[in-house]
Amino acid sequence: DAGITQSPRYKITETGRQVTLMCHQTWSHSYMFWYRQDLGHGLRLIYYSAAADITDKGEVPDGYVVSRSKTENFPLTLESATRSQTSVYFCASSDAGGLDDFGPGTRLLVL
Amino acid sequence: QKEVEQNSGPLSVPEGAIASLNCTYSDRGSQSFFWYRQYSGKSPELIMFIYSNGDKEDGRFTAQLNKASQYVSLLIRDSQPSDSATYLCAVRGSAGGGNKLTFGTGTQLKVEL
Repeated sequence: DAGITQSPRYKITETGRQVTLMCHQTWSHSYMFWYRQDLGHGLRLIYYSAAADITDKGEVPDGYVVSRSKTENFPLTLESATRSQTSVYFCASSDAGGLDDFGPGTRLLVL
Repeated sequence: QKEVEQNSGPLSVPEGAIASLNCTYSDRGSQSFFWYRQYSGKSPELIMFIYSNGDKEDGRFTAQLNKASQYVSLLIRDSQPSDSATYLCAVRGSAGGGNKLTFGTGTQLKVEL
């Protein structure tokens, strides 16, 4: 089925560990985004990508790394997880027309 | 000042009434405006978008945009209990901004029987 998938859907890790959240879209949308959602802050943009091999920082990029070697994939890596990175992470994609579609989210708990 | 502001609510309306959700934004160069609905534990779902001043209607939903006042609203007519959710206002900024959306923190709507 067409759409956006995220994996894992739930993840528990410990501080200091590296964690990679996966995002895959089947629409061949050029734009992809990573957001985190926390109570009181709403959705905040971490990183985004306009095309393969083009990425840029969003509002809260510190502690995260992204790559986009293929149009359909946009993994997000927490290089050394901290408790403050406990959150719900959403991946989204859009074409140039700009109607964003969101994945189901990954719930991350950092102990 | 937050770039996109919404009243967090909860906004409670009786079933069948009109729910009015409001949003203000700070970037005068903003070009497109979106309303997402998010049920608890789920991902945001796009329900309306508007680009030009005025009203845009889709079924029970009407989006209203006033760029001079930097104000966007969403009206939900004949509110149903299934409309109970958090509604997120999002704004896409000036051209060249990488298609990024800036979200408000959302308004929780409760439709009571």
